[in-house]
Amino acid sequence: AQSVSQHNHHVILSEAASLELGCNYSYGGTVNLFWYVQYPGQHLQLLLKYFSGDPLVKGIKGFEAEFIKSKFSFNLRKPSVQWSDTAEYFCAVKGGDNTGKLIFGQGTTLQVKP
Amino acid sequence: IAGITQAPTSQILAAGRRMTLRCTQDMRHNAMYWYRQDLGLGLRLIHYSNTAGTTGKGEVPDGYSVSRANTDDFPLTLASAVPSQTSVYFCASSREGSTDTQYFGPGTRLTVL
Repeated sequence: AQSVSQHNHHVILSEAASLELGCNYSYGGTVNLFWYVQYPGQHLQLLLKYFSGDPLVKGIKGFEAEFIKSKFSFNLRKPSVQWSDTAEYFCAVKGGDNTGKLIFGQGTTLQVKP
Repeated sequence: IAGITQAPTSQILAAGRRMTLRCTQDMRHNAMYWYRQDLGLGLRLIHYSNTAGTTGKGEVPDGYSVSRANTDDFPLTLASAVPSQTSVYFCASSREGSTDTQYFGPGTRLTVL
């Protein structure tokens, strides 16, 4: 069965610090990978996605993620975080079947201190 | 364009009661999904529908049922609510099931006492 693991459950950073959130998945076949963000009190929004091609994916708000197939990883990065990046971040994987089902990680809460 | 709407926004429900959470999308997406979000567990898929008239079970389908009579609506029913169904419920949709990005609704916060 597919699974997604996010290593950091709660991250606290100061503004301008660099961010890297880990995401590993377990599935040997072709996968589609996603990072979603949930700002306080809001619904999930897509940050970026990887379907194929360049493994370095750029998303909105300065976020990027790198797909490393050999490590089954899809880590999210941002060079300089802002207070407005305070949110919960979810990694998700879709693969294998034609149902479109997303498997989510547990989520990482990012708190950015001004 | 509203995207995905969910109703109610929140609800407190007595155990044993029946409840239907509504989800409507106006994007003419073929696929729709119901997830529940619980602290420390992320989002887990309850049921999905790849096209009108078809439904399938997700990771945690027990105690829930869905129907997909048309493209736009995908209601989720709790036949007899239990406290463990206290959660935030998100509806999502995508143009196609297998390849496209899912877009999420604003959620319904349900408390079962």
